[in-house]
Amino acid sequence: QVQLQQWGAGTLKTSETLTLICAVYGESFSGYYWTWIRQAPGKGLEWIGEVDDEGTTHYHPSLKSRVIISLDTSRNQFSLKLRSVAAADTAQYYCARRQPNWGAEDLWGQGTLVTVS
Amino acid sequence: QSVLTQPPSASATPGQRVTISCSGSRSDIGSNYVSWYQQVPGTAPKLLIQRNDQRPSGVPDRFSGSKSGTSASLAISGLRSEDEADYYCASWDDNLSAKVFGGGTRLTVL
Repeated sequence: QVQLQQWGAGTLKTSETLTLICAVYGESFSGYYWTWIRQAPGKGLEWIGEVDDEGTTHYHPSLKSRVIISLDTSRNQFSLKLRSVAAADTAQYYCARRQPNWGAEDLWGQGTLVTVS
Repeated sequence: QSVLTQPPSASATPGQRVTISCSGSRSDIGSNYVSWYQQVPGTAPKLLIQRNDQRPSGVPDRFSGSKSGTSASLAISGLRSEDEADYYCASWDDNLSAKVFGGGTRLTVL
């Protein structure tokens, strides 16, 4: 059964770097896009960015200067790094798998709440 | 403020049919596929519809999606109490070069 399991620090101070890991079980990276999406408390979904199976990335323009999404093929994991966090980055962060050929996110991690104070 | 516009709320009684709209522009819905997600509060979103009208395996055929021009709709027929959730539309925005979401619609089953 394919599943995503994510983890990372839940509490950060302003200006620190957020780091989240998403492990992929039962599936390889090949043919898919690997995505990070966040949701501020009580708000809607916000796309952060994605990486394809060759490591090519796309980021939301509002976060592009602070974010890195990368693959670790040896561990079958992908990660999110967001530097210089502020209170506005407080959110539930989700990793997800996106189907190719303009498909959508069909498999999601359980979410990680990150609080910046 | 979200790029895609959804009504903040919708309601219907069990067994009825409800439609949720999603309005965009030429650079997003007008040029790209639309997807729909269901999110029960406190849980991760679940994909209901991708590529405008395609249901992933396991999604009941009570859920259907459509798109016309710069707008899209999600229809739920035979409404059940477990359909009570938040629903989000999404599309790619060519101007932003980013995926954009609607603000979400909270569906209440009366």
